[in-house]
Amino acid sequence: GAVVSQHPSRVICKSGTSVKIECRSLDFQATTMFWYRQFPKQSLMLMATSNEGSKATYEQGVEKDKFLINHASLTLSTLTVTSAHPEDSSFYICSARALGSGGQYYEQYFGPGTRLTVT
Amino acid sequence: EDQVTQSPEALRLQEGESSSLNCSYTVSGLRGLFWYRQDPGKGPEFLFTLYSAGEEKEKERLKATLTKKESFLHITAPKPEDSATYLCAVQARDTDKLIFGTGTRLQVFP
Repeated sequence: GAVVSQHPSRVICKSGTSVKIECRSLDFQATTMFWYRQFPKQSLMLMATSNEGSKATYEQGVEKDKFLINHASLTLSTLTVTSAHPEDSSFYICSARALGSGGQYYEQYFGPGTRLTVT
Repeated sequence: EDQVTQSPEALRLQEGESSSLNCSYTVSGLRGLFWYRQDPGKGPEFLFTLYSAGEEKEKERLKATLTKKESFLHITAPKPEDSATYLCAVQARDTDKLIFGTGTRLQVFP
C-alpha cells in the first residue's frame, strides 16, 4: 500500500517553455501532498504543501507564480514550472500523506521523482 | 529552529561489517522521526517512523532506535544491496512538514 507515482520520470525542455509534472496516489486518497526539489548530493528541500481543493502553501523563497500547484482531486496533484530557465533544472519529488500501518499517525510516502533539464 | 544533522556523511563497509548511522535533531515538540532510503535517481523509500524516546523498530538487517536527542540506524551484517543514501527527517507536533538531514551515503563492498 501507499504507492505514489510521478509522470514524467524525465523531461527536457527549452528555456521559456512550461512543464507539467503529475503526482498520483495510486492506492489511497491523499488530502495533502508535498513537492520537493533536490540538487545533486543535497537533501530534499520542501517547496510547497498542496491541499486538495485549496491553494497551496509555499515555502519562503519559492515563487508561487513560477511553480504552479494544483490539487484538484484526492489522488492527483500537479506542479507546473512556468517559463522554465536552466537554473530550474533539478530533481523534483512529490510525496503524499497517508495513515501509517498503525492507523494512528500520518506518514509521507514519496514518488520516484522527475528529472527536469532546461536547455 | 528545527534542525537535523546526520553523520557520518559517507560510510564504506565491507560486506558483513555491522555499523550505525547517527541522526541528531532539535525540534520544538517531536511528532515523529522518519528514516528513508534513497537510491540514486529515485525518490526516498519509507523505512521507519519512531514516535517516542525508547522506541525501536526493525526490518531485516536494519534497526532504528530513538532517544530525546538522536536516532541511530543500526545495520547488521550489511550486503552490497544495502548501498544507498539513508535520510533522516523530523516532524514537529504542529506541522505536516518534514525537516530532512543531508543523509549518509552508505557503500557496502563484497
